Amino acid sequence: NAGVTQTPKFQVLKTGQSMTLQCAQDMNHEYMSWYRQDPGMGLRLIHYSVGAGITDQGEVPNGYNVSRSTTEDFPLRLLSAAPSQTSVYFCASSYLTSGGGETQYFGPGTRLLVL
Amino acid sequence: AQKVTQAQTEISVVEKEDVTLDCVYETRDTTYYLFWYKQPPSGELVFLIRRNSFDEQNEISGRYSWNFQKSTSSFNFTITASQVVDSAVYFCALSEANAGNMLTFGGGTRLMVKP
Repeated sequence: NAGVTQTPKFQVLKTGQSMTLQCAQDMNHEYMSWYRQDPGMGLRLIHYSVGAGITDQGEVPNGYNVSRSTTEDFPLRLLSAAPSQTSVYFCASSYLTSGGGETQYFGPGTRLLVL
Repeated sequence: AQKVTQAQTEISVVEKEDVTLDCVYETRDTTYYLFWYKQPPSGELVFLIRRNSFDEQNEISGRYSWNFQKSTSSFNFTITASQVVDSAVYFCALSEANAGNMLTFGGGTRLMVKP
C-alpha cells in the first residue's frame, strides 16, 4: 500500500495563479481531509469529505475548493492564489464510523509558496 | 468549541534525559478522542497514539508513555531516556465524537535532543 500520496511536493505560484494539489489514497478510506500547517498554529482543517460526492467546509475554507468524484482522490483547488496561502498542505484519510474519532493518516505534504 | 493547548513551544534536553510534553484540551463533549502525532525534520506526520475519553488507563510503548487525566483535561506525553532521533515537533490533537473525524490540533512542541 502506498498509503496517502500527494503531488507536487513543492510549488511556487505567483499571486492570482490557480493550481490543484493532488491527493490520493489506496486504503479504501471513506473520510478524506485537507489541512494547512502554519508556524505556531498547528494544523487547521480546510475541507473534508465523508465519501464520493460529499464535501464540507472546515475551519479555514476561504480561497479553496474541493471535489470528491472517487473514493481514492480528493484534490484541493486554489482558484486565485494569495500570499496568505503560503503554507504546507497535508491531506489525510481514515475510516468513517458512527462513533467518529478514527485515526487519520497523513500524506507527506505539499509546500506551497505564493509570491 | 474545542481547543488544544500545548504551552511548551520548544524544549531542549540532553540525550538520555526524560522529557514530558504537556497537552491540555477543552471540549463540551463527553465522548472524544485524543491523539499524538510526531513530525520529524523530514516533515511527514506520524501517528503515535489514539485514546478515547472513556479509557483513562495510562499507556506505555517502549520509551513512550502517555498520562491521560480527565480531571485536569490533560493528555501528557513522556519520553524516557530521550534519543537524538526523538528530535521532532510533536502535536496533540482532539476529535469530538459529534464532529466526526475532524481534528483540532495544538500548536505543537518542538523537542530538540542534543547528544
